[in-house]
Amino acid sequence: EAQVTQNPRYLITVTGKKLTVTCSQNMNHEYMSWYRQDPGLGLRQIYYSMNVEVTDKGDVPEGYKVSRKEKRNFPLILESPSPNQTSLYFCASSWLGANGYTFGSGTRLTVV
Amino acid sequence: DQQVKQNSPSLSVQEGRISILNCDYTNSMFDYFLWYKKYPAEGPTFLISISSIKDKNEDGRFTVFLNKSAKHLSLHIVPSQPGDSAVYFCAASLHNDMRFGAGTRLTVKP
Repeated sequence: EAQVTQNPRYLITVTGKKLTVTCSQNMNHEYMSWYRQDPGLGLRQIYYSMNVEVTDKGDVPEGYKVSRKEKRNFPLILESPSPNQTSLYFCASSWLGANGYTFGSGTRLTVV
Repeated sequence: DQQVKQNSPSLSVQEGRISILNCDYTNSMFDYFLWYKKYPAEGPTFLISISSIKDKNEDGRFTVFLNKSAKHLSLHIVPSQPGDSAVYFCAASLHNDMRFGAGTRLTVKP
C-alpha cells in the first residue's frame, strides 16, 4: 500500500529535550515536506526537500532541522523544543512538479 | 501573510442539502487548486482539484468552481451526507509550492 508513515503518533516531551519525528514514504517520491497545523492558521510549511541532500526552508522553519540522506526518509528534528512548538505535525510527499500531496497520519506533539 | 483564506471556520448543514465551502487566494500565479478533507486523527486526504485554465470540475457529489477574476474558489457538496462531516482545507499550488487555508469544519446533521 502506498503511504507516508510518521512516528510517533503522539509525543509529550519537556522543554529542551531533543527529539526526532520520523517520516518515511514508499512511493519513490522526490518531494517531501513537513507541515504544522495550528488552530486558525491551517497548515504551514516548515521545511521541504526536492531530492536527496536538497532541503530548503518553508514558512516557519525556526527551531526545526531536517535531513534527507535517503529518498524515502525525511526526519524532522527539534534540537531544543519549546512550548510554542506544541502542534500537530504532518509529513507529505509527492512527485516533483505534481499538484497534490500524500500526507501521513500526523504526529501530535506536546512540549511542557 | 496568508495567501489562501477560508473565512468560515465552521459550517453546519442538514443531510440532503447543499454544502458550499468558500476559499479566497491572493497570488494570481497559483495554477492549481485543491480541496483536502481531514477526519480526526488522520492526515488530510485529497478530494478534488481544478486547474487554473478551467472554471469547473465535477466528481460525483463534489464540484469545485474557480473564479479567477475574483481569486475565489468554492466546493459544492450535493447532497450532503453525515459522512461528509470533516475539516476541509483549500489549497493553492504552483508546482510543488502549496499553500493551505485555515480549514472549514463541516457538520452534516442527520
